[in-house]
Amino acid sequence: DTAVSQTPKYLVTQMGNDKSIKCEQNLGHDTMYWYKQDSKKFLKIMFSYNNKELIINETVPNRFSPKSPDKAHLNLHINSLELGDSAVYFCASSPGTSGRRQYFGPGTRLTVT
Amino acid sequence: GQSLEQPSEVTAVEGAIVQINCTYQTSGFYGLSWYQQHDGGAPTFLSYNALDGLEETGRFSSFLSRSDSYGYLLLQELQMKDSASYFCAVGPSMDSSYKLIFGSGTRLLVRP
Repeated sequence: DTAVSQTPKYLVTQMGNDKSIKCEQNLGHDTMYWYKQDSKKFLKIMFSYNNKELIINETVPNRFSPKSPDKAHLNLHINSLELGDSAVYFCASSPGTSGRRQYFGPGTRLTVT
Repeated sequence: GQSLEQPSEVTAVEGAIVQINCTYQTSGFYGLSWYQQHDGGAPTFLSYNALDGLEETGRFSSFLSRSDSYGYLLLQELQMKDSASYFCAVGPSMDSSYKLIFGSGTRLLVRP
C-alpha cells in the first residue's frame, strides 16, 4: 500500500531515556513533517524537511533532533525524555512545492512515566 | 502571529446539515484547509480553499471569505461515521510554502 508509515505505534518509556521514532513514505513526496498532538488534540508543527534539507524548525527543545537520511525517510530522536513529551507524534508528507495538502501517518503515542 | 478559532464541540442529528466555522488572524497566507480526524486516527485532508467562495466535494463543502477572515466546513446528510474532530488550518504562506497552522479542532458528535 502507498502510505506514510511510522514505527512504533506505541512507545512507553521512563523519564530520562532516549528514544527514536521512524517514518517512511512511499508516495514519492519531496517534503516530510513532524507534528506533535497534545492531550487537548492541538496539532503543532515541529520540523519539516524538503529533499533532506531542514526547512521548518519551530521552537522545540533541542532534545528533539530530526534526521532525514533520504527524502522518503524522516526520523525523530528525543533525548532525556520528560513527562511533558507525552503526546501523539505524527509524521506527514506533501507533494510538489507546497504543503497545502499533507498526508499523515498513523501516529506514535508516546507515554513518558 | 497567527491564530485560528473554531467551536470546541458541535452536536447534530444523523441526516442533518452542520456547519463548522473557523475564523483566523493571519496575513499573507494562501489558503484554508480542512482535515478530519477520528479518535485514535490520523488527520486526513478534506478540502483546500485558495479563493473566496464555496468548494464542493460530495457531501462536504468548504467556504472561504478572505475579507472576513472566515471560513466554514459544511457537512450534509450527516452519517454516524462523520463523528470526528475537524480542524481548519491556514497556510501555506509567504513566509513558508509548507507550513500549516492548525486550529484547535471541533469535535462533531452525530446522534441517531
